[in-house]
Amino acid sequence: KAGVTQTPRYLIKTRGQQVTLSCSPISGHRSVSWYQQTPGQGLQFLFEYFSETQRNKGNFPGRFSGRQFSNSRSEMNVSTLELGDSALYLCASSFGGAHASGANVLTFGAGSRLTVL
Amino acid sequence: AQSVTQLDSHVSVSEGTPVLLRCNYSSSYSPSLFWYVQHPNKGLQLLLKYTSAATLVKGINGFEAEFKKSETSFHLTKPSAHMSDAAEYFCVVSPFRGTASKLTFGTGTRLQVTL
Repeated sequence: KAGVTQTPRYLIKTRGQQVTLSCSPISGHRSVSWYQQTPGQGLQFLFEYFSETQRNKGNFPGRFSGRQFSNSRSEMNVSTLELGDSALYLCASSFGGAHASGANVLTFGAGSRLTVL
Repeated sequence: AQSVTQLDSHVSVSEGTPVLLRCNYSSSYSPSLFWYVQHPNKGLQLLLKYTSAATLVKGINGFEAEFKKSETSFHLTKPSAHMSDAAEYFCVVSPFRGTASKLTFGTGTRLQVTL
């Protein structure tokens, strides 16, 4: 079956612009989470969605937002881009809801590499 | 509370020799533990997971890890390295049946494989 699909794979933006990244989870997976990966900070949790509801949010400013649609596809948006937002943004999906078996077994997409100039 | 420490940021081995990537964890509860691999410009791929069943866990591509509660360790091993194993490896701890927000990722170990 198809894996987690992230689009676009690469993008370049300038400071002050905004960006929207898309993630299509594995068919049947209802939970989608987002991570930011940078050389200095490693993998940092952004947010997690389940059945169109944001279940948890990491310690990021309000410029970072997301949503999940009824088909489980998810988007994240970063507004007023800063140089420090340059990173690999990873989406992951999992099968279960909270406390369900497999809820913490993530399948990652290939990521969207954002460069802010 | 939980944490994970990958004891080596960089490991270099020769092709055909054993691989050992070390991971220690701390957890206030029964943990789930994972190893993921990331090749350049790719996402993370699950190698194996421990979820309170057998303490010796076999994963993909010949990797395995042993959960040692007394040593709070979950080291990743492979008997014989292949060039294609060169990548970054992440050890991850989670509460048993936790959700994505409860995963704690290690800082990664870069594995270099030389001829």
